[in-house]
Amino acid sequence: GENVEQHPSTLSVQEGDSAVIKCTYSDSASNYFPWYKQELGKRPQLIIDIRSNVGEKKDQRIAVTLNKTAKHFSLHITETQPEDSAVYFCAASIYSTLTFGKGTMLLVSP
Amino acid sequence: GAVVSQHPSWVICKSGTSVKIECRSLDFQATTMFWYRQFPKQSLMLMATSNEGSKATYEQGVEKDKFLINHASLTLSTLTVTSAHPEDSSFYICSASLPGLARETQYFGPGTRLLVL
Repeated sequence: GENVEQHPSTLSVQEGDSAVIKCTYSDSASNYFPWYKQELGKRPQLIIDIRSNVGEKKDQRIAVTLNKTAKHFSLHITETQPEDSAVYFCAASIYSTLTFGKGTMLLVSP
Repeated sequence: GAVVSQHPSWVICKSGTSVKIECRSLDFQATTMFWYRQFPKQSLMLMATSNEGSKATYEQGVEKDKFLINHASLTLSTLTVTSAHPEDSSFYICSASLPGLARETQYFGPGTRLLVL
């Protein structure tokens, strides 16, 4: 089955810096790649997603890039703010079934 | 739009009892719902995929007789943890996907924290 690796497991940045989280997947049939933000004790919230026919997508301070050849995709957050602090999960989807990475705890210090 | 609710949010039960968790799509009809389990500081692990009107598909290693899933309508799926034991204590989260072209996108419920004493 699909295997998703996510790095780093923790990431500490200063407010205003950029943060980058990287994921790789194993199954070339995966065609949908969402990113979720989960605050402590709460539900995962979809923040951005990308489909396999697109190389890059941006939504304000958040962007995702996809390299299908290398089977990796990344989340970029610019101008980080303390409220961006949370756990971020990447996922890869085959036939609507999501496989999640292990998560990255992002801490943004004021 | 795409709001998913779960009930209860918290449940504490004695070992050996059964617990039912409800997952509802409030503003859309979900032909497919998913059940995940999340242990502290870990990722979401898919337990089963539930399709309305048919039997759930369980992931490898998930006991179907222990985790009973029913998806009787397009807006409701239930997960029953039978004969719960302390090792079943976890955060259980459901998700639902929109029908049609957006079916890959999953929207998550708020989760149910289960503590088995």
